[in-house]
Amino acid sequence: AQTVTQSQPEMSVQEAETVTLSCTYDTSESNYYLFWYKQPPSRQMILVIRQEAYKQQNATENRFSVNFQKAAKSFSLKISDSQLGDTAMYFCAFLQGGSEKLVFGKGTKLTVNP
Amino acid sequence: SAVISQKPSRDICQRGTSLTIQCQVDSQVTMMFWYRQQPGQSLTLIATANQGSEATYESGFVIDKFPISRPNLTFSTLTVSNMSPEDSSIYLCSALRGHGELFFGEGSRLTVL
Repeated sequence: AQTVTQSQPEMSVQEAETVTLSCTYDTSESNYYLFWYKQPPSRQMILVIRQEAYKQQNATENRFSVNFQKAAKSFSLKISDSQLGDTAMYFCAFLQGGSEKLVFGKGTKLTVNP
Repeated sequence: SAVISQKPSRDICQRGTSLTIQCQVDSQVTMMFWYRQQPGQSLTLIATANQGSEATYESGFVIDKFPISRPNLTFSTLTVSNMSPEDSSIYLCSALRGHGELFFGEGSRLTVL
């Protein structure tokens, strides 16, 4: 079974600085997708960024980018120019190709300090 | 992206009662799911809501406790039956819109006294 590990339960960063959240996963498959979701205090889960395993290029969405290391099974999220509104729980998630069920990590609580 | 409306957003219930949570998606979706998020925890999949047929439950979750309906491609309900304090959680509805992207409702925070 696939597993997703987020080794940092909590992190903090100063406003305008850069922070990297770690995620590793375990799978024997080659076709899969990886996601980062954000859950602010309002509870709404928001998709931040998505990566297809077959793509070598790292996904980027504005201030959010990933470092996808397929051989190492690592999928870290970099947030540049951190903003107060980035304060949230961040969940890394894995989806097996052909499956509809996401496997979530335990989450990292990120606090952006003014 | 899909817009998912969930209600109630929160409720406080008495032990032994049941509560039905509604989930409405603004467009037709292929798959709908129900997740539970216990305080300070990650998300756990309860079941896949199948349109026109019985839901598919994950290990540890049963239909008698969490009956689910999905009468059409945009609407689903989750009932938490015979509630106990251990059922206090956030319950999230989600919908799949191609390429594996899952969209979520705002969640329903349930407190059982």
